[in-house]
Amino acid sequence: NAGVTQTPKFQVLKTGQSMTLQCAQDMNHEYMSWYRQDPGMGLRLIHYSVGAGITDQGEVPNGYNVSRSTTEDFPLRLLLAAPSQTSVYFCASRRSKNTEAFFGQGTRLTVV
Amino acid sequence: KQEVTQIPAALSVPEGENLVLNCSFTDSAIYNLQWFRQDPGKGLTSLLLIQSSQREQTSGRLNASLDKSSGRSTLYIAASQPGDSATYLCAVSVSGNQFYFGTGTSLTVIP
Repeated sequence: NAGVTQTPKFQVLKTGQSMTLQCAQDMNHEYMSWYRQDPGMGLRLIHYSVGAGITDQGEVPNGYNVSRSTTEDFPLRLLLAAPSQTSVYFCASRRSKNTEAFFGQGTRLTVV
Repeated sequence: KQEVTQIPAALSVPEGENLVLNCSFTDSAIYNLQWFRQDPGKGLTSLLLIQSSQREQTSGRLNASLDKSSGRSTLYIAASQPGDSATYLCAVSVSGNQFYFGTGTSLTVIP
């Protein structure tokens, strides 16, 4: 098993550009989520999904969209990138709310 | 909103020492709590998961305890090694859908 795979690992965007951060897991996990990690702050939840076709907002959803068409994939879309979205983004998955969460290696995004 | 605090922010110990990392949270109605380690520039690696009904979990040299009533968890690391140097994160799940993270304790084990 590869676990949770995130692509790309690094990305530089210009303000106003759009992009999609990819996240895939091969563990047949129902729960998937996106977090961002900023210096001096704990990881914060952006969006999450409890199964294919079901998504919901987390603590900091503004500026981000998600969809979950398959169990394996949970992409995160930035529609109009802003410098405030410069961060490290982590995708996580877990089988259920009672089981441990597994994280990807992260995507370091810089918006200039 | 759940607030998670980890103290100290940084810790430096000589190799072989036993140590305790602390995590406190404001809302005792938690679903579970998970400890992670994060190496510089890397993702999070799961260490231990404690369900709300459990008092402790052990894995090798690691032991995590949970006291819901006081809003505290500790991670005990026995016989520390230089390879244990990393940032340790505590994450609390309230509804099961979301983790609230502390800002971590940066541990350095000196050979």
